[in-house]
Amino acid sequence: GQNIDQPTEMTATEGAIVQINCTYQTSGFNGLFWYQQHAGEAPTFLSYNVLDGLEEKGRFSSFLSRSKGYSYLLLKELQMKDSASYLCAVRDGDYKLSFGAGTTVTVRA
Amino acid sequence: GAVVSQHPSWVICKSGTSVKIECRSLDFQATTMFWYRQFPKQSLMLMATSNEGSKATYEQGVEKDKFLINHASLTLSTLTVTSAHPEDSSFYICSAQEPGLAGSDEQFFGPGTRLTVL
Repeated sequence: GQNIDQPTEMTATEGAIVQINCTYQTSGFNGLFWYQQHAGEAPTFLSYNVLDGLEEKGRFSSFLSRSKGYSYLLLKELQMKDSASYLCAVRDGDYKLSFGAGTTVTVRA
Repeated sequence: GAVVSQHPSWVICKSGTSVKIECRSLDFQATTMFWYRQFPKQSLMLMATSNEGSKATYEQGVEKDKFLINHASLTLSTLTVTSAHPEDSSFYICSAQEPGLAGSDEQFFGPGTRLTVL
């Protein structure tokens, strides 16, 4: 099966920066996604990486290293509304998404 | 972005009854839709892949006779939980795949359906 690991939870202060790491081992690779999920709601798309390097999108950036099976999501200028669960998902060789367990980020004033 | 709707948003039913959940892509055609299940404080687990006009492909451990999937059109897929039991209580989320630029083929998620079986 697929193996996707990310920290369970992180806490940071409003205005700070937080980096969520994700390591993966999958059978085949066709891209890595990051999603944000608030409690009781469906995930919303944040970013997509298929080639190595950094993708920047406003306050959120995502990095991928395929050789290391590693990605991170960087959240800058944290706001209270950023408190949520962040899911790392890898699309495998069959184009199916496998999700990590999610990282709960709590932003404190 | 593309919009995916689900109906109902939440449902409470008695043990032994069947429940149907609809997933619709509102502004695009989705040849492929996916059904996920999420238990509290756990991640999404893929249940099955639904392709328009053909039988669904179920993941290992998911009973195809219990979770009936029908993808009758390019904008609608339905999941029927048959003879529901309390252990089927969960958050069911569908997603629809839209072919994207640079092969991103992003999945757009519906708002989810909270099923509670008494």
